[in-house]
Amino acid sequence: EIVLTQSPGTLSLSPGERATLSCRASQSVSSNYLAWYQQKPDQAPRLLIYGASSRATGIPDRFRGSGSGTDFTLTISRLEPEDFAVYYCQQYGGSSPDIFGQGTKLEIK
Amino acid sequence: QVQLQQSGPGMVKPSETLSLSCTVSDDSFSSYYWSWIRQPPGKGLEWIGYIYYNGSSNYKPSLKSRVTISIDTSKNQFSLKLSSVTAADTAVYYCARGRVVTIWGQGTMVTVSS
Repeated sequence: EIVLTQSPGTLSLSPGERATLSCRASQSVSSNYLAWYQQKPDQAPRLLIYGASSRATGIPDRFRGSGSGTDFTLTISRLEPEDFAVYYCQQYGGSSPDIFGQGTKLEIK
Repeated sequence: QVQLQQSGPGMVKPSETLSLSCTVSDDSFSSYYWSWIRQPPGKGLEWIGYIYYNGSSNYKPSLKSRVTISIDTSKNQFSLKLSSVTAADTAVYYCARGRVVTIWGQGTMVTVSS
C-alpha cells in the first residue's frame, strides 16, 4: 500500500509570496495519478490538480502541479488571501486503493 | 449541475452498523466511480472505498473487513455500510463522484456514542 507523506506540516507565508508544497510517495505513482485538493474550514475539499499537473476546471493559473514517480509538488505562485487553507495530495490510479496524504496547512504569517 | 444528496443517521451506537446513502441527481451514474471519504474532527481526509456502476469495488485495506459499498442503479443511489463501529469511526462522511473527486455530497457528521 502506497503511503503519501506531505511536507511541511504547516507553512507560514504572507500574501504575495510563493508557496511550495511537497507530496512524496513510498512507491512510484502509476501514470502520475496524483491529485491535489484545497480544503477550507467547514467546507468539502475542492479539486485543484489531477494527473500531477493538469488544472481542474476554474482553477487559477497561479496553481501549478509538477512531479512524477514518487515526488510531486504543488506551487502557488503568488498567494492570495483566499489561498490560505489545508492542502491534500491523493493517489488514485489503477487497481491500488486510493489514499490521501496527511495534509499541509498553509497559514498567514 | 449534478448534486449528491446524502442521507442517514447522525449518531450510531458502538458495535452497531453505520449506514449512509447518497442519491445522484442526474443520469451520470453509469459513467463514474462513486466514492466514500471521511474526515475525523480536526484531522485529515481518509479514503474509505469506491464502487463502479458495474459493482466492482475497492476498499481501504484496514477497513476492508468492516466496509461494504453497494449500488442501486434503479435509484441512482450508492450506499456505505460500516460494521462494528467504535468512537474512532466518528467523522464527517462524504460521498463523492469519481476517484478524482469533482463533486462532493454535503457531508454527514456521524458520531459513535452510546
